[in-house]
Amino acid sequence: ILNVEQSPQSLHVQEGDSTNFTCSFPSSNFYALHWYRWETAKSPEALFVMTLNGDEKKKGRISATLNTKEGYSYLYIKGSQPEDSATYLCAFTIRAGKSTFGDGTTLTVKP
Amino acid sequence: EAQVTQNPRYLITVTGKKLTVTCSQNMNHEYMSWYRQDPGLGLRQIYYSMNVEVTDKGDVPEGYKVSRKEKRNFPLILESPSPNQTSLYFCASSLSPRGGDTEAFFGQGTRLTVV
Repeated sequence: ILNVEQSPQSLHVQEGDSTNFTCSFPSSNFYALHWYRWETAKSPEALFVMTLNGDEKKKGRISATLNTKEGYSYLYIKGSQPEDSATYLCAFTIRAGKSTFGDGTTLTVKP
Repeated sequence: EAQVTQNPRYLITVTGKKLTVTCSQNMNHEYMSWYRQDPGLGLRQIYYSMNVEVTDKGDVPEGYKVSRKEKRNFPLILESPSPNQTSLYFCASSLSPRGGDTEAFFGQGTRLTVV
């Protein structure tokens, strides 16, 4: 089982703060990196699929970068809002079909 | 509406009683996968399928079986459930047969308790 690490494990910020989390993964045999947003009592929702070194993706106030050579991806949230409170998961795919998830970063945004 | 549907949503069963959790998608996706989620951990892949009649093991396949006889359905079978299979289960699908390079859509989850 590959080691995919996310940090920090949890994060508490004030509304309006910008924040970022890290996903670390093995740098060899990279195929794709996914970010998901998972709210309590709901299903994980896809944010980004990243496949190329140097990829940068953006959706509203959320963006992500990818460095496959050093094995990490950052997720950024600009101007956090209470509705951004969720657990953010990354998933690393090393070959066709098989994926390994990190344990997630739980974000709490206080009004 | 494009969706992945799992049934049942909640299930309490007894040790050793065979059960099936169904998963169906209406998006004509090639790739489907099952995950379990336990407290404090991320999702762990149980089995996945890249096409009809093509399935492969994920990281935690022990105690589970799957089949993919039709593109839309990917049932998860527990032949003899044990308490350590108490978990939250998710089914997911994505367009690409390789799964990794297209976004995944998740079902609503099935919370299984084995007593």
